Amino acid sequence: KNQVEQSPQSLIILEGKNCTLQCNYTVSPFSNLRWYKQDTGRGPVSLTIMTFSENTKSNGRYTATLDADTKQSSLHITASQLSDSASYICVVSPDNNDMRFGAGTRLTVKP
Amino acid sequence: DTGVSQDPRHKITKRGQNVTFRCDPISEHNRLYWYRQTLGQGPEFLTYFQNEAQLEKSRLLSDRFSAERPKGSFSTLEIQRTEQGDSAMYLCASSQTEAYNEQFFGPGTRLTVL
Repeated sequence: KNQVEQSPQSLIILEGKNCTLQCNYTVSPFSNLRWYKQDTGRGPVSLTIMTFSENTKSNGRYTATLDADTKQSSLHITASQLSDSASYICVVSPDNNDMRFGAGTRLTVKP
Repeated sequence: DTGVSQDPRHKITKRGQNVTFRCDPISEHNRLYWYRQTLGQGPEFLTYFQNEAQLEKSRLLSDRFSAERPKGSFSTLEIQRTEQGDSAMYLCASSQTEAYNEQFFGPGTRLTVL
């Protein structure tokens, strides 16, 4: 069983709408959690990184939250744009050298 | 462009052939990672280097796979006697040895084994 579970597996929304992606993890110990955006055929690009003591981090229209007690994170996208269509991958690190990847949520934004 | 680069971007080969991929990391980064990613999945760790030393290898890295980083700069990943199951995106990432060790990914090499 993957230690990082993401939901939904895929999501289709209309341009301009908001959406929230979920990440639940069992990785322990915990060092940090990242959200990456991966466009089709490209490598992942980091959006946010949060440590144990942080419970929210924003990057433009992207806002990530972290509840380290329940081991849950979410990525909220506001006022979606066509260019937001991508896979969003949650990555949890137990230490500075190890990254555990979720399978990703495939987001499609339609006009 | 000072990001991570990979070459080639796409490779189509016949089963049984050998292939080699190259990764050029961000110049001041001393760590270099290789991952494999199949459709609809997150990247799977293969191996990583700190400078020229290969410090960890995943069980996914069978005897047919070998990676080198001879001068602590660029790295190569070779797959011998390719199989159809090797078809995947091969991603390279680099980082500095520091807190939180953020990895910067290259664009990947898409391998198709016919």
